[in-house]
Amino acid sequence: QQPVQSPQAVILREGEDAVINCSSSKALYSVHWYRQKHGEAPIFLMILLKGGEQKGHDKISASFNEKKQQSSLYLTASQLSYSGTYFCGPKGDDKIIFGKGTRLHILP
Amino acid sequence: DAGVTQSPTHLIKTRGQHVTLRCSPISGHKSVSWYQQVLGQGPQFIFQYYEKEERGRGNFPDRFSARQFPNYSSELNVNALLLGDSALYLCASSFTSYNEQFFGPGTRLTVL
Repeated sequence: QQPVQSPQAVILREGEDAVINCSSSKALYSVHWYRQKHGEAPIFLMILLKGGEQKGHDKISASFNEKKQQSSLYLTASQLSYSGTYFCGPKGDDKIIFGKGTRLHILP
Repeated sequence: DAGVTQSPTHLIKTRGQHVTLRCSPISGHKSVSWYQQVLGQGPQFIFQYYEKEERGRGNFPDRFSARQFPNYSSELNVNALLLGDSALYLCASSFTSYNEQFFGPGTRLTVL
């Protein structure tokens, strides 16, 4: 029931792009994305509500394919501040179930 | 505006003891969710409350209980603590049970 995130970890150089995928086995109402830095609480990035919806915030955007029960997070021209663990949280009819996370490390 | 606050920040207990964790949501938020996060894993859902009623429960034993008060603050109670209960306990608040959630700093529980 826990969503599957891929890749599990990725190392990038500053300015490179990354894609994080999230796949769920159950029907979804929405997908939440969060970033957590070591020793800190998760920070909300965005929520996608509709099938096929895409959203963007600064150089971070995401898509949600309701029919495929998949979501992807796109990080463009990554910055050092993007380092951290990214969690997707698909939401069915009740609770959010978070994946194990994707660890992203940005090198200068 | 103040964010989500949790108390205490850290807590050390021994096996078999009981613990109460507290959470104050962002002003205006009516929903509070509790999560357990162990190192290297994502937050695991424990409970969600909205308007003082339980709206969701995760796969945790009955030793875990929670409640939400009229001012929308919440408590998480864990009885008969086990070593495996050692974790970071996160509280998240949202306007409704369907909106984005904002996490508090967490309570680090260590069971010896």
